[in-house]
Parts: sequence; C-alpha cells; structure tokens
Amino acid sequence: GESVGLHLPTLSVQEGDNSIINCAYSNSASDYFIWYKQESGKGPQFIIDIRSNMDKRQGQRVTVLLNKTVKHLSLQIAATQPGDSAVYFCAENIPGGYALNFGKGTSLLVTP
Amino acid sequence: DTGVSQNPRHKITKRGQNVTFRCDPISEHNRLYWYRQTLGQGPEFLTYFQNEAQLEKSRLLSDRFSAERPKGSFSTLEIQRTEQGDSAMYLCASSLDGTGYTEAFFGQGTRLTVV
Repeated sequence: GESVGLHLPTLSVQEGDNSIINCAYSNSASDYFIWYKQESGKGPQFIIDIRSNMDKRQGQRVTVLLNKTVKHLSLQIAATQPGDSAVYFCAENIPGGYALNFGKGTSLLVTP
Repeated sequence: DTGVSQNPRHKITKRGQNVTFRCDPISEHNRLYWYRQTLGQGPEFLTYFQNEAQLEKSRLLSDRFSAERPKGSFSTLEIQRTEQGDSAMYLCASSLDGTGYTEAFFGQGTRLTVV
C-alpha cells in the first residue's frame, strides 16, 4: 500500500549547523503533513505542519518544505542545538479519515 | 499541566490478564486518538473519537481491544487477554475540531510490558 517513508534513518550534525531531514510520501491525495520530534521515553511532540495548498511554512528555527511534484517533504532546523537530538517523524493524513500515517523516523544526533 | 495526560505511565502484566489505560485530553479538544508504538517504529493508528462517538478504527484494533469515551472527555483503552505481542507504548492524542485535519498533541504514553 501507499506509505510515508524517510530517506535517512540517522543524521549526525555539529552544533550550530543547519539540519535537513527528508521524507518521501506516495499518496498523492494526502492533504496534510506534520513533523513530530520524539525524545526517548516521551510522546511525540508537535513541531510544525503544512497543508497541501502551501509549499513552505516557517516556525521558530524550523521550516517545512513541501514539493508535491516529487512527493517530498523536508524539515529544516536552523542552528541545531544539542536539545534537538531526538527521533523525528513525518506523517501524513490519510485522506477521508482522521488517522496519521507515520514513517519510521530519523534519528538526529547533535554533536558539540 | 494542560497537556494530554495518560495513566499509568508504565504497566507490567502477565499474559492473559486484562489491562485498562486512561487518557485525559486537552480540555477543549473534541477529537481524541489512540496510537500504538513499538520500539524503533513510528506510531500506528488504532482509533479515533469525535466527542463520544468512535468514528474510525484500524484493523490493528482486534476484538481484544476496546476503547470508550463515554462523556466525550476522558477515554479508556482496554486490552483483554493480553499477549506478549501487545507489549508497546500506547499513545493518546487530542486535537481541536475544525475543517479537515487539525494538529494533534500527544501524551507521554503508557508503556505496556506483557510477561
């Protein structure tokens, strides 16, 4: 079936650098996408979302880019900090329902 | 703390026993979701409530699982005759009502271990 997936399972960056986490989706009808951050032993924490009528959305130190042509989603984190170390999940809303379809996650490690 | 609250945080049970988890959503949120997450995987959708009505269920929700939200506020998830494969983190999320999907906020989860 169609699913959301991530290109890189792990990402290591130096503190202060920018991070880019990528995600591919295959359901062209999906109209809502969301990024979550999850630290060990905790629930997913909302970072930013974007609807399919937008290409870009910015938050505090984070930007989500949506390329519907190639069905690609990315999360950019500016000036990455040690506190950003976590697993990041992208998810899409399954059309016609209220469920989120999550990918497997990318582990981000920020080194000093 | 006005976030989503889940209890208990951890539960260890023997195979074959029944367990019940509770979720208290953010107070003004009409929408409530249950997910299950196993180690190294993303959360998997189980079920969705709009107020007290259970409107969507995943095929993962076998007949041993039942969820309720009797008054449209807190919700419970019960697993009967637990199996070792039920060991996972059970996550609850809630969101505001609105047009289309609205951002969901997750609780800290209940980690279930079936021994």
